[in-house]
Amino acid sequence: KNEVEQSPQNLTAQEGEFITINCSYSVGISALHWLQQHPGGGIVSLFMLSSGKKKHGRLIATINIQEKHSSLHITASHPRDSAVYICAVSGNTDKLIFGTGTRLQVFP
Amino acid sequence: DGGITQSPKYLFRKEGQNVTLSCEQNLNHDAMYWYRQDPGQGLRLIYYSQIVNDFQKGDIAEGYSVSREKKESFPLTVTSAQKNPTAFYLCASTTSFGGHNEQFFGPGTRLTVL
Repeated sequence: KNEVEQSPQNLTAQEGEFITINCSYSVGISALHWLQQHPGGGIVSLFMLSSGKKKHGRLIATINIQEKHSSLHITASHPRDSAVYICAVSGNTDKLIFGTGTRLQVFP
Repeated sequence: DGGITQSPKYLFRKEGQNVTLSCEQNLNHDAMYWYRQDPGQGLRLIYYSQIVNDFQKGDIAEGYSVSREKKESFPLTVTSAQKNPTAFYLCASTTSFGGHNEQFFGPGTRLTVL
C-alpha cells in the first residue's frame, strides 16, 4: 500500500462544477503539499499546509491531521483547471512522498 | 524573473551513452533536488543537495550521478548503468532542505533512450 493515496485517479467535470480531490496518507507528517502539473509537464505549488484550511482564489485546501486526510476543492471549475493534481507529504525524513496524482479534465 | 530552468526539454540518446541534464536556479535557494516521474507512479527522489558542495542519494540513485559546485547549478548525469533511463526528469529547489518548505519546480526534461 502506498504511503500517499489519492482519489479519484481520473475525474471529468463540466465547466462550473464543484470539484473535490482527496488525499490520504499513512505516515506522520510535518507538511502536506498540493501541486498542479500542467499538460506540458511543469509543476507549480498550489498549497502547503500543516493544519486547517487555506484558500487561494477558487482553490481551497483542507487537512485533518487526526484522520490523516486532505482535500483539494475547486469551485466554479473551468477548462483551464484541467491538469494533474498531486498530493505530497513531508514525513519524518523531511523528504517528500508523492501520490500518483489525479487527472482532471473540465469540459466547456 | 526568478525561477528554475532545465534544458533541454526533450533529449534523445542511444543506449549505452551517458547524458547530462541541466538544472539552474536564480532563487538563491540552498537545497536542490532531482526527481524522476514515470507513468502511473509518483515522483521519486534521485539525488538531493542541501547546500553547495554537498549532495546525498535519494531513493533511486543507482545509475545516476550529480555535482553541486555552484549554488545555482545541480546537473544530473544519467549513466549507462541506469537500466531504464527513459523518463521525465524534474529538478526542484527550496530555500533550505526539507519538505516543510515550498517546492519550486523546473519545467522538466523528457529523456528517451533509443
